[in-house]
Amino acid sequence: LAKTTQPISMDSYEGQEVNITCSHNNIATNDYITWYQQFPSQGPRFIIQGYKTKVTNEVASLFIPADRKSSTLSLPRVSLSDTAVYYCLVDPSGGYQKVTFGTGTKLQVIP
Amino acid sequence: DGGITQSPKYLFRKEGQNVTLSCEQNLNHDAMYWYRQDPGQGLRLIYYSQIVNDFQKGDIAEGYSVSREKKESFPLTVTSAQKNPTAFYLCASSSQGRNYEQYFGPGTRLTVT
Repeated sequence: LAKTTQPISMDSYEGQEVNITCSHNNIATNDYITWYQQFPSQGPRFIIQGYKTKVTNEVASLFIPADRKSSTLSLPRVSLSDTAVYYCLVDPSGGYQKVTFGTGTKLQVIP
Repeated sequence: DGGITQSPKYLFRKEGQNVTLSCEQNLNHDAMYWYRQDPGQGLRLIYYSQIVNDFQKGDIAEGYSVSREKKESFPLTVTSAQKNPTAFYLCASSSQGRNYEQYFGPGTRLTVT
């Protein structure tokens, strides 16, 4: 299973764009990249998933370079409610194989 | 409304007792998972099940047991053999397909004293 590496923590001021980068050097051809958000004492929530180039939804954007060895989650204009832990996962596509949640990146948004 | 329910939200037990955590989903998902989370840590996989009457050990299965008699239900028993059972337990489910998204329940916080 591909291992991911992401910063342990980040701080950002309200209203700024936040970019969290995840490294996954041994990603396999069939692996997708998925990001989850977790608030304290709650279960993680799916944010976005992608395979290559750029994916955008109402919450975030995901940028994946051509070599797919890293990915960047972009949160536009963060607010205090975006303070959470963000996990980067590398999923085998279309299957039930277990995935690994690392320690994630703790994002603190400052007023 | 579709979703995953876990009960209870808080659970207290004395050391040496077995305790069973409930997880039910009405999303018609084939796969279900149990994770453990300790303070300030990520999620660690305990058990997962791809289909009824089948389940596999995750990374930290020792001291835990599960059953999958119904598609909707995946209860987790924390046995007295689990050395450090106090933790936040999360159940999740997912369906088959390219968008491999896991849906999580609200979690059960277990305290053993």
